[in-house]
Amino acid sequence: DGGITQSPKYLFRKEGQNVTLSCEQNLNHDAMYWYRQDPGQGLRLIYYSQIVNDFQKGDIAEGYSVSREKKESFPLTVTSAQKNPTAFYLCASSIALGQGTDTQYFGPGTRLTVL
Amino acid sequence: GENVEQHPSTLSVQEGDSAVIKCTYSDSASNYFPWYKQELGKGPQLIIDIRSNVGEKKDQRIAVTLNKTAKHFSLHITETQPEDSAVYFCAAFWNDYKLSFGAGTTVTVRA
Repeated sequence: DGGITQSPKYLFRKEGQNVTLSCEQNLNHDAMYWYRQDPGQGLRLIYYSQIVNDFQKGDIAEGYSVSREKKESFPLTVTSAQKNPTAFYLCASSIALGQGTDTQYFGPGTRLTVL
Repeated sequence: GENVEQHPSTLSVQEGDSAVIKCTYSDSASNYFPWYKQELGKGPQLIIDIRSNVGEKKDQRIAVTLNKTAKHFSLHITETQPEDSAVYFCAAFWNDYKLSFGAGTTVTVRA
């Protein structure tokens, strides 16, 4: 059963703590992405990775960090430097970057709440 | 960068009627335009997409049209059903890696 999984579904964090959101895909996709979604807004790109051991900042990377040690995994860490981390976080993947391979498929999301 | 505007923000239709959502984009280099459907608490699901070399694409009750000259594209849902109720997002692909999303349209189908 191929797809993208994210865990946990819900996550609560105290102020000042770092938390890591998991994203795994078994689609054999090279490219992976992290988006943030706030109520009433579209998705905004946090980080993306074209290939293993490579990743680039998106539009709102401040306060976030990622790693890409394995093709199937792209974890996102929300650090204490992120001023307003409460949001719905979505992971996506595509075959690769570039025209013709750019269709992105999304995971079910993780809702992070800062207490 | 690319700016995608989506209208309307909310849309209520009677079951069986059609729904139309419109998006405009700013970068003429954009070449790929997907539409996503998002149900409450779930991730977006790709429902249809169109590339810049095509003017229209249809998949059962869903169709998308693209006007490159005017830089706008639209989603058409015919014979709406209650299960079509969701938030719909348009997006434009540009700069070889980036999807820019509209703000979303909440569609409610009244039984």
